Amino acid sequence: EADIYQTPRYLVIGTGKKITLECSQTMGHDKMYWYQQDPGMELHLIHYSYGVNSTEKGDLSSESTVSRIRTEHFPLTLESARPSHTSQYLCASSGDDGGNQPQHFGDGTRLSIL
Amino acid sequence: AQKVTQAQTEISVVEKEDVTLDCVYETRDTTYYLFWYKQPPSGELVFLIRRNSFDEQNEISGRYSWNFQKSTSSFNFTITASQVVDSAVYFCALSEAPGNTDKLIFGTGTRLQVFP
Repeated sequence: EADIYQTPRYLVIGTGKKITLECSQTMGHDKMYWYQQDPGMELHLIHYSYGVNSTEKGDLSSESTVSRIRTEHFPLTLESARPSHTSQYLCASSGDDGGNQPQHFGDGTRLSIL
Repeated sequence: AQKVTQAQTEISVVEKEDVTLDCVYETRDTTYYLFWYKQPPSGELVFLIRRNSFDEQNEISGRYSWNFQKSTSSFNFTITASQVVDSAVYFCALSEAPGNTDKLIFGTGTRLQVFP
């Protein structure tokens, strides 16, 4: 059972607010990821990290930013939320045991911007 | 270019039927990994299987089986004797040559509905 946690699970908030979505994992994984997924649609990688102090943008352009100050923590921030940011955000992590290890996902945050 | 195609958008079956979910991939790498994930209505993604490009053996796990064929670039997933709890969206994904990131390229998913 993967130990990766996302909070909040659901968030409904007004336009213009600053939002931080939390993601933590207890597996000591170096690699972490953020995906954006609209309902019933495919997942798009928006950020990833190789390890502490490493962050890269993913394949889908996003106005969000991330930080990786500690191995276990990979928060995602939206400085000024807009309705176009409404989506599900999934965090994942993977180990470094050789080969491309499976990514383990959190339960996701369903974000709704009014 | 890397790409994963899941041509079946939605499949409906009745309990106890067998069902196969198709996955076709494109990659120029000779070393790559293929994955299947399940996303139930609650929204989380559950890892089901990882297969590397050098291992074409089919795999069976309970009612689940996977058929990997490099000749047709396919990695199909079969559920035998389906159950209502199998209802979910299933994603096939590709990860290319081992590197720093293990980035996954997902297909668009197949929604499976199993009716009692």
